[in-house]
Amino acid sequence: DQQVKQNSPSLSVQEGRISILNCDYTNSMFDYFLWYKKYPAEGPTFLISISSIKDKNEDGRFTVFLNKSAKHLSLHIVPSQPGDSAVYFCAARGAGTASKLTFGTGTRLQVTL
Amino acid sequence: NAGVTQTPKFRILKIGQSMTLQCTQDMNHNYMYWYRQDPGMGLKLIYYSVGAGITDKGEVPNGYNVSRSTTEDFPLRLELAAPSQTSVYFCASRERTLQSSYNSPLHFGNGTRLTVT
Repeated sequence: DQQVKQNSPSLSVQEGRISILNCDYTNSMFDYFLWYKKYPAEGPTFLISISSIKDKNEDGRFTVFLNKSAKHLSLHIVPSQPGDSAVYFCAARGAGTASKLTFGTGTRLQVTL
Repeated sequence: NAGVTQTPKFRILKIGQSMTLQCTQDMNHNYMYWYRQDPGMGLKLIYYSVGAGITDKGEVPNGYNVSRSTTEDFPLRLELAAPSQTSVYFCASRERTLQSSYNSPLHFGNGTRLTVT
């Protein structure tokens, strides 16, 4: 039962254009959402997050949008750069003090010149 | 600050062998986690710990054991390796936050790639 879904395994975008990565979730108890970026042979690194009490959070070139009614979030990268080429994981926090994260399957973004 | 350090980076095991994946962090984080990532899949939680002496099962704990005798270290033990345990293993840690509207991010190690044949 995949509670966090990233339906696009890969995405290719030209340098300078917008990259939009999507994520859907099924558990309405999730209250915090994060995006992680992963380069080959490295661990994931935190990129940006959003609480369920907000619908948008922005950090430089990265913006995350949350649509709670649709149980959907998206990550926008503007403008895309070649260094953004990586696998992006969406993650959601469940209830409980340990704040365990449930991860999506990832989307591989390739930014081309 | 080294962050989260995992050893070894690579390991090949024969079926039935045992090994311990080491994880240590120098950030004084309370919470530590072990995830595994299979090809084309997301990260699945194996075990986690909210502090020294406290551990609990995640989504996929079968075939693994953990201990947390110190804040810094959170080793993962495989007792009888099976081909299904071929995966990349990530250890992560994070500090405890008291605000429900904020979640301190996980800091990950660079992973251990394990092959069981």
